Amino acid sequence: DAGVTQSPTHLIKTRGQHVTLRCSPISGHKSVSWYQQVLGQGPQFIFQYYEKEERGRGNFPDRFSARQFPNYSSELNVNALLLGDSALYLCASSPESRGSLETQYFGPGTRLLVL
Amino acid sequence: AQTVTQSQPEMSVQEAETVTLSCTYDTSESDYYLFWYKQPPSRQMILVIRQEAYKQQNATENRFSVNFQKAAKSFSLKISDSQLGDAAMYFCAYRSFYNNNDMRFGAGTRLTVKP
Repeated sequence: DAGVTQSPTHLIKTRGQHVTLRCSPISGHKSVSWYQQVLGQGPQFIFQYYEKEERGRGNFPDRFSARQFPNYSSELNVNALLLGDSALYLCASSPESRGSLETQYFGPGTRLLVL
Repeated sequence: AQTVTQSQPEMSVQEAETVTLSCTYDTSESDYYLFWYKQPPSRQMILVIRQEAYKQQNATENRFSVNFQKAAKSFSLKISDSQLGDAAMYFCAYRSFYNNNDMRFGAGTRLTVKP
C-alpha cells in the first residue's frame, strides 16, 4: 500500500504569491492533518480535517486555509506569502480523528521557499 | 499552553552503545499522551514509541524504551544497542487527551551514531 503522498516535493515562490500544497492520505484513512516545520524546529500544527470538516486549527493567520475532498485528499492554501512561510509542510493521515493514540502517518513533506 | 522542551540539540553515540534523549513538558492536564518521533534525513517522520499518561508502566518497543516520570513531567527515550540506522532527528511530542486535534513537538535532538 502507498503511504501518504504530497506534491510538489519542492516549490519556490515570491512574496505576495499564493501556493497550494496537496496531500493524499493512506487508503482508508479519513483524517488529514497539516504541520509547518521551520528549519531547526519541530513541526507546528496547522489544521486537522476529518470527513471533509475542519476539526482543529492551530495558531496560524487566516492566510492559511485548507480543505478536504470526498476522496479524503486535502489541499493547504497559503495566500500573500511571506518570507517566514518558508518551511517544510508536512501532511499526516490517520484512520479517524477521535483517537488521540491513533498513530499519525506522515508524508515526506513539501519544501516551500519564499523569496 | 503546553510546551515541550528537548534540552539536547545534538547527541552522539557509539554503535552498539546506549543513549538517552531527554524531554520535559509543561501541562496542567492530568490525562495526555506522549510520543517520540524519528525523522531521518529523508524527512519522513516515523513514530518510534508512545506512552499514555495514565499508565505507570514505561512503554517499550524492541530497542527503544522510555522513562516516564509524570510528577517531574519528564519523558526520556533510551535507545539500546544503537545502530547506524538510528541516526536521525528525534522529536518528543505531547498530545492532550481533551484536545486531541493538537499535538505539540519539541525542537528535536539530532542523534549521530558513530561506527
